[in-house]
Amino acid sequence: GEDVEQSLFLSVREGDSSVINCTYTDSSSTYLYWYKQEPGAGLQLLTYIFSNMDMKQDQRLTVLLNKKDKHLSLRIADTQTGDSAIYFCAEAPASGGSYIPTFGRGTSLIVHP
Amino acid sequence: DAGVTQSPTHLIKTRGQQVTLRCSPKSGHDTVSWYQQALGQGPQFIFQYYEEEERQRGNFPDRFSGHQFPNYSSELNVNALLLGDSALYLCASSQSGWGRSNQPQHFGDGTRLSIL
Repeated sequence: GEDVEQSLFLSVREGDSSVINCTYTDSSSTYLYWYKQEPGAGLQLLTYIFSNMDMKQDQRLTVLLNKKDKHLSLRIADTQTGDSAIYFCAEAPASGGSYIPTFGRGTSLIVHP
Repeated sequence: DAGVTQSPTHLIKTRGQQVTLRCSPKSGHDTVSWYQQALGQGPQFIFQYYEEEERQRGNFPDRFSGHQFPNYSSELNVNALLLGDSALYLCASSQSGWGRSNQPQHFGDGTRLSIL
């Protein structure tokens, strides 16, 4: 079955880069997502990547995928205090009829001045 | 363009009661999924509705049921509430496409359900 693992906490200084890591277990073709959740709010889709891609960049966000190790990372450049939130990695198979994402427990990003 | 909207935002119930939560999908979306997010956890999939039918279901008991209306809005019903049902209930919508490909899901802000 699918399993998504993330480290629980990350603390960075404002202006530095943040790197949030995630590992997954599904070996079939898959979509991988990053969501952001601020206190009291739902999940905001940040970006997603298909498993045949190695990298995707969108403004301050860079997603890197290592298919061999089933390792996904989200890099946030020039991290700001407004980036403080919980970041969820999620995986959804691209075939087989089940397109429901499986979420990790989330990484709490704390940005301090 | 309104995103996914959920109501109510907060709800307090007691054990044994029943609750109904509501969700309106993002404009243009026809598929609605419901998730339960316990404190400190990621969202857990409850079920998904498409064309007014339950298309997939996660590992939740029959106390959890749902409905989708012709306008694509949806309800989540939970009977015989337990203390462990206290959580944030999230609704997500997406647009079905070729091969029911997994278009990204867009989430509402959730309903915070507290059971006393």
